[in-house]
Amino acid sequence: DAGITQSPRHKVTETGTPVTLRCHQTENHRYMYWYRQDPGHGLRLIHYSYGVKDTDKGEVSDGYSVSRSKTEDFLLTLESATSSQTSVYFCAIGWASGSSYEQYFGPGTRLTVT
Amino acid sequence: DQQVKQNSPSLSVQEGRISILNCDYTNSMFDYFLWYKKYPAEGPTFLISISSIKDKNEDGRFTVFLNKSAKHLSLHIVPSQPGDSAVYFCAASASGTYKYIFGTGTRLKVLA
Repeated sequence: DAGITQSPRHKVTETGTPVTLRCHQTENHRYMYWYRQDPGHGLRLIHYSYGVKDTDKGEVSDGYSVSRSKTEDFLLTLESATSSQTSVYFCAIGWASGSSYEQYFGPGTRLTVT
Repeated sequence: DQQVKQNSPSLSVQEGRISILNCDYTNSMFDYFLWYKKYPAEGPTFLISISSIKDKNEDGRFTVFLNKSAKHLSLHIVPSQPGDSAVYFCAASASGTYKYIFGTGTRLKVLA
């Protein structure tokens, strides 16, 4: 257990409404990530963070924003949800270990935009 | 442009036989690779990794092979078990970037 929780685990929302997903870690690791998983696309990086208030865009960042005001929390916000954002969202934490770099995932949030 | 490719969406193998999952990459800067296993309704779980300074890494029934010149890696599972049935993702990273690019996954089904 890598000490990652995501909330909510399931959410149904309407098009145009704002949605915030939360990722919480108990491990105090520097790097945190948000991915989405869609059939035929695998896992695609949305945004990531390399420290408090330090974030950067991933492959599919349009329509999403993130914030990290504390080491343990990384929030993903959909300002105005669209049906194309229906997906399963995974948070991950990462750390360097010697010459290697490891990444562990949370349990996921299933978001449906109607 | 897909930098990490898993060209086989699915694979079926008999229990006890070898499963071979393949992954190709295009970015020569990638120097660290991971394999994940994912069951339905769960997050991906880390399986095994390999650095570009090696061409093989083994952990129990799982072995990853890396062919840098071909930009190809493979995961071997021997012997395959029904509990290995899952989606497998490979991921690649370049030193200092601290982010991974994932393939689209291969669904493995191990038949009893």
